[in-house]
Amino acid sequence: NAGVMQNPRHLVRRRGQEARLRCSPMKGHSHVYWYRQLPEEGLKFMVYLQKENIIDESGMPKERFSAEFPKEGPSILRIQQVVRGDSAAYFCASSAAVQGYSPLHFGNGTRLTVT
Amino acid sequence: DQQVKQNSPSLSVQEGRISILNCDYTNSMFDYFLWYKKYPAEGPTFLISISSIKDKNEDGRFTVFLNKSAKHLSLHIVPSQPGDSAVYFCAASASGNTPLVFGKGTRLSVIA
Repeated sequence: NAGVMQNPRHLVRRRGQEARLRCSPMKGHSHVYWYRQLPEEGLKFMVYLQKENIIDESGMPKERFSAEFPKEGPSILRIQQVVRGDSAAYFCASSAAVQGYSPLHFGNGTRLTVT
Repeated sequence: DQQVKQNSPSLSVQEGRISILNCDYTNSMFDYFLWYKKYPAEGPTFLISISSIKDKNEDGRFTVFLNKSAKHLSLHIVPSQPGDSAVYFCAASASGNTPLVFGKGTRLSVIA
């Protein structure tokens, strides 16, 4: 997993607060993907971004969730007004090309706990 | 609707023997398949992949087999080692920009 950096590793938020998760892709990678893993579940796709563009957000909840990948700096996944059901591991992945034929490289995730 | 299914939540194998992890899919548009390995508190690590034009891909101790007619793929690990103990995820993608779809994973325990 070396290369894709996620922070923080653990994040605790009270219900109603905002959570900001950051992801720096591997060097040279311009495609970023966010996945969420609930307990005992597989990884569920949330959003796919390239620099300054959201390409596919079909897995993103319609409310409270947003993502960006600015020209400079890391990709940010923002969850507003968190609820207990948002507690999960959030993984970021990057690739050098369109993921259809290129494996994704994942970070070690951010474990969000909502109390 | 689960498009990628790993029906065995867990598997236990003795060290030195073969581990066979199975995966079924329902979407006939999938043409690229991957296996990831995940240790606790870490992200998934890419292991091996196969495209639909092949039926077998081998990398050291790891071999992936694809049976398109049955919409089934399997990962063989031989010989299994204690360090292989992890959760293994099967993933699939259709050509183009579609996102990877993951199964729920199989926890492999290799017993010394």
